[in-house]
Formats: sequence, structure tokens, C-alpha cells
Amino acid sequence: SQQGEEDPQALSIQEGENATMNCSYKTSINNLQWYRQNSGRGLVHLILIRSNEREKHSGRLRVTLDTSKKSSSLLITASRAADTASYFCATDQRSYIPTFGRGTSLIVHP
Amino acid sequence: GAGVSQSPRYKVAKRGQDVALRCDPISGHVSLFWYQQALGQGPEFLTYFQNEAQLDKSGLPSDRFFAERPEGSVSTLKIQRTQQEDSAVYLCASSLDSAGNEQFFGPGTRLTVL
Repeated sequence: SQQGEEDPQALSIQEGENATMNCSYKTSINNLQWYRQNSGRGLVHLILIRSNEREKHSGRLRVTLDTSKKSSSLLITASRAADTASYFCATDQRSYIPTFGRGTSLIVHP
Repeated sequence: GAGVSQSPRYKVAKRGQDVALRCDPISGHVSLFWYQQALGQGPEFLTYFQNEAQLDKSGLPSDRFFAERPEGSVSTLKIQRTQQEDSAVYLCASSLDSAGNEQFFGPGTRLTVL
């Protein structure tokens, strides 16, 4: 398997709380992407952060990247029940082929 | 505008049967990827097309798997003599550029081999 590591594997929170997911990878990258997957659906692209960026925001999403630690985090602020999904990070460790992690399953209770 | 579509959404095959899975990418998208996703796992790369050229098929698990994109748009993933271990969701994704960034995924085809 060429998957990266995400933690936690599962996260259960109440609506309104913040959710933080982490992703670690093994080799140098040019960029890292986060995707969301609702049950039974395809993945939806959330955000791309390049290796020369340390932080990026998109609405309630905040992504950080620490290339020295080979890790990234995704923060969802003020979570909603509709945020319930699996979240995957994908790196370009193999050039144009995104390498996905196993994902974090997030459940937001209303 | 239409997104990436895949058909069929669900396919049940008896072991040994051949199956064909179709992907209609977003019009004008250069790159097309096929992935296999097992339950509880992330997508695993199968193969990559840039227009009609299959540039990478290193992820195809065996020579029973074959993919084509003859006119640089619609793609078909064919699995011959299906085995139980082929049961998975097969995802197709397309992107505008050749770098594989910001991919748009289809809903997937869930294949169950009995």
C-alpha cells in the first residue's frame, strides 16, 4: 500500500465544536490536497496547499502544512451535521498520481 | 454543468464473468484516473490517461484489468474473469490539467462479485 497515515481514524463530535484531522506522509511533496467523501458518493475536492505554503483557509476550513514534519492538519470550525463524512488527504509523492490516506471518519451529532 | 458520471452505479457479477465500467469525465478535462476503493480505505490508483494516451497503468492489479479512452473523453474499465477479490467501488476522476490536481470524482461503481 502507498497510503499515507491519517489520524484519528474516527472522530465523533457535537455540532458547533471544531474538528481537527491530521495527515502524515513519507517523502517530499509539491502539494497536498484534502478531499471529503460522503457515504456512497465520490470524493469532493476541498483545498490544495502547496509545499511553500504553511496555512490556507477556505470558509470554515483551515489547512496547515509542516514540510519539516511531513504532516498536515485540517481544521473544520463550528462543525455542522452536514460535515459528517470521511476526509482524505492526498499527496503527490508519486508525481501526478495522488496518494490517498485511509481517511478520517467524522461524525457530527446534531 | 454536468460532473463526472459513471455507469452502472451497481454491478453484481458471478465469479468468472467479464464486466465493463464506464466513465464520462467532464468535457475538456485532460486527465482521467481510475481508482479502486475497498471498504474503509482510501482510493488506490489503478491507471491514468492524458487525453487518449494511457500514461500509467502500474496500479492495475492483474492482466485481467484493462482500461481504454480511445477518443480522449469516455473511458471504460474492463475486468475479465472477475474474482471475489475484485469486489470494491471503482472510482473515476478527471482533472483539467495534467498534474492530477483538483480532481473531480464520479459517484463510483460498486462491483460485487459472487
